[in-house]
Amino acid sequence: NAGVTQTPKFRVLKTGQSMTLLCAQDMNHEYMYWYRQDPGMGLRLIHYSVGEGTTAKGEVPDGYNVSRLKKQNFLLGLESAAPSQTSVYFCASSYVGSYNEQFFGPGTRLTVL
Amino acid sequence: AQSVAQPEDQVNVAEGNPLTVKCTYSVSGNPYLFWYVQYPNRGLQFLLKYITGDNLVKGSYGFEAEFNKSQTSFHLKKPSALVSDSALYFCAVRVASGGSYIPTFGRGTSLIVHP
Repeated sequence: NAGVTQTPKFRVLKTGQSMTLLCAQDMNHEYMYWYRQDPGMGLRLIHYSVGEGTTAKGEVPDGYNVSRLKKQNFLLGLESAAPSQTSVYFCASSYVGSYNEQFFGPGTRLTVL
Repeated sequence: AQSVAQPEDQVNVAEGNPLTVKCTYSVSGNPYLFWYVQYPNRGLQFLLKYITGDNLVKGSYGFEAEFNKSQTSFHLKKPSALVSDSALYFCAVRVASGGSYIPTFGRGTSLIVHP
């Protein structure tokens, strides 16, 4: 049981390049989330999904797109990276129900030059 | 709307002393409250949660938290701090019903335990 995994762990992009971050979970969770963590800002929700084939915007969705084609995977895309997107990105998942805790991946450290 | 405040960016405590990390919340309705810990270069790990019942909740690594409805607080506590407790701690809240299942996180409190 690997829990929540994220690929890649580190990435350096140039401004304008695109990339996709992959999140996978093997716990059969319905809900999945993408956050970014910046110093002094805590965790900010980018997008989330409440089930396969559904996605919704979070607090800071601009510049990002997501897809949830399979229940176990949640992809985060940057179409045209900007230096402001330099951050640590975390994926999380949880069971249905607001009383259930989230399980987090180890993070992806992204630098945009 | 729901929100969480962690009023201290950093808490310093000596090893062996009790520690408290503060959290206050605001929700329209009953809350579900969570504490997570983040060690350096790692993802967040669940520590404990309050759903209903006893106001004192016990969690992992000897941590506990007290739910106080009148003060809308959910402070994290440990009777005797360890150097290994040094980490970033996040409080989170969700409304129990009638709202989004998406939690709101505080900005985090850095706990530093000195030997």
